[in-house]
Amino acid sequence: GENVEQHPSTLSVQEGDSAVIKCTYSDSASNYFPWYKQELGKGPQLIIDIRSNVGEKKDQRIAVTLNKTAKHFSLHITETQPEDSAVYFCAASPGGGADGLTFGKGTHLIIQP
Amino acid sequence: AAGVIQSPRHLIKEKRETATLKCYPIPRHDTVYWYQQGPGQDPQFLISFYEKMQSDKGSIPDRFSAQQFSDYHSELNMSSLELGDSALYFCASSPSPPNEKLFFGSGTQLSVL
Repeated sequence: GENVEQHPSTLSVQEGDSAVIKCTYSDSASNYFPWYKQELGKGPQLIIDIRSNVGEKKDQRIAVTLNKTAKHFSLHITETQPEDSAVYFCAASPGGGADGLTFGKGTHLIIQP
Repeated sequence: AAGVIQSPRHLIKEKRETATLKCYPIPRHDTVYWYQQGPGQDPQFLISFYEKMQSDKGSIPDRFSAQQFSDYHSELNMSSLELGDSALYFCASSPSPPNEKLFFGSGTQLSVL
């Protein structure tokens, strides 16, 4: 089955700086890569996703890049703000539904004022 | 916009008791997923339903069962509760046709004493 590794487990950055979280996956059949943000006491919320036919996707301060050859994808957050503090999960799926969705272990992002 | 609704928000049970968790998906979402999340852990897939039929099964103990009803809401039934069952239980729904995008509820915090 799929194995998703996520690094780092904790990331502390100064407000206004950029943050990068990296994930690798093992199954070359995976073609859908979402990122979820989980705030304390809440469920994970989808913030951005990318499919394997695209190398990069951007939505305001958030971007995701995918290197299909190397089987890794990254989340980039620019101009970080206090409300970006949360746990971020990457995931990978072979598509056709979320049954095969495998999550990474999560990154606790801390934005220092 | 309507979100996934889970009840109860918190539940405290004794060992060997039973518990029932309820999930109301977003309107017109016909696929429901159940996840278990331990402290500091990533969500672990338990079971899913599509059009009221079980779609896939993950690491769900035999003591647990679930079903999806005609109105698409779902219930997770947990019997012979153990201390290790203490966790956050999330329900997520996704739209039809089968779609990888998951929309999570706020979860039920189950504490087994």
